[in-house]
Amino acid sequence: EPEVTQTPSHQVTQMGQEVILRCVPISNHLYFYWYRQILGQKVEFLVSFYNNEISEKSEIFDDQFSVERPDGSNFTLKIRSTKLEDSAMYFCASSGEGGRNYGYTFGSGTRLTVV
Amino acid sequence: EDQVTQSPEALRLQEGESSSLNCSYTVSGLRGLFWYRQDPGKGPEFLFTLYSAGEEKEKERLKATLTKKESFLHITAPKPEDSATYLCAVQAPRNTDKLIFGTGTRLQVFP
Repeated sequence: EPEVTQTPSHQVTQMGQEVILRCVPISNHLYFYWYRQILGQKVEFLVSFYNNEISEKSEIFDDQFSVERPDGSNFTLKIRSTKLEDSAMYFCASSGEGGRNYGYTFGSGTRLTVV
Repeated sequence: EDQVTQSPEALRLQEGESSSLNCSYTVSGLRGLFWYRQDPGKGPEFLFTLYSAGEEKEKERLKATLTKKESFLHITAPKPEDSATYLCAVQAPRNTDKLIFGTGTRLQVFP
């Protein structure tokens, strides 16, 4: 069964450092998303990406965050200057029809720890 | 404001003891309601999508139903491997695909 692959599974970084979280979505999917889940809290939407541009972003997704699809297969989330409160699980997701009929396929996540 | 509330927060069942999880939502114009299963340290795993009141979907021991205000996930004769957190999410209306998640129900099934 096709899956969304995320790397690394766990990243520890110092406050103020830049991190890049990587995702390989399902190959024939066109819609890509990042969500995050702070420990013990809800899964929260960050950003959606379609046709090589951001289609929607949440209030959380401020100027410190950026996304890119550099080569047609990878989808990355960059946090420019990490803060302690960025510590969370970050999930990449993709879908073929904007989630219709088959839902969204999530990756296993990257646990980001900012120290 | 669009909102999703799940209950109970946690549920402990004996193997074979059927029960239901609830997801109530407040959304102006539901486009879709999703159920996911999440194991510890893993991403949400897609179970069902429901689109209109009265719709039902089944998969093995799970059955999801939808009304205009809530959805139920019925678990029939659960097994220990059904232990997980079950997440409900709604697809917000109007040209957006983002999902709004509830806090989930943590299910534990004991042998």
